Amino acid sequence: AQSVTQLDSHVSVSEGTPVLLRCNYSSSYSPSLFWYVQHPNKGLQLLLKYTSAATLVKGINGFEAEFKKSETSFHLTKPSAHMSDAAEYFCVVRNNAGNMLTFGGGTRLMVKP
Amino acid sequence: SQTIHQWPATLVQPVGSPLSLECTVEGTSNPNLYWYRQAAGRGLQLLFYSVGIGQISSEVPQNLSASRPQDRQFILSSKKLLLSDSGFYLCAWSDYRGLGTEAFFGQGTRLTVV
Repeated sequence: AQSVTQLDSHVSVSEGTPVLLRCNYSSSYSPSLFWYVQHPNKGLQLLLKYTSAATLVKGINGFEAEFKKSETSFHLTKPSAHMSDAAEYFCVVRNNAGNMLTFGGGTRLMVKP
Repeated sequence: SQTIHQWPATLVQPVGSPLSLECTVEGTSNPNLYWYRQAAGRGLQLLFYSVGIGQISSEVPQNLSASRPQDRQFILSSKKLLLSDSGFYLCAWSDYRGLGTEAFFGQGTRLTVV
């Protein structure tokens, strides 16, 4: 079985300050991990993915995430928040032994001017 | 390139009425297909997934059903809607080869049962 825990349901930062959205996972096999962003009433857009290559993954819009197997974490970061980053973010694990995607509960990022 | 179409974008239905949401994928063959529901202020709940025509797996018991009449068509249905069926429904597809591939999402359907 696999699971994903997003440690913060809400994160609030000021524009121009760093962003950290935390994600921990559990998986019986080597997982593929993803971060998605969802703007209100929209579908989910892929930010980045980890698929057993480089552990530091760079994505769109200046986001990146680091896979740490020893900590079973895949935290999402961005050096400087922009107002347009305000959205809901989902950490997702895909078990390479199957076709299942498991979503975290989501983190709502708010960016203050 | 691959695209996913989901419709309608919004829907208001009375309690007890039927439901049919449709999702189609273009530009790929034998995709894995998914239906998710997102209730207000909550994460995504997997409702159904399908690895091939006529093959449907249900993740949670509920008032809904799914069908896959064609390779790239996935339909979410209900015979009688409940108030609790309100939510944001998302269709998604992923490559059948699985390993390391992400899912691609439609734009969602906002269903309000009144």
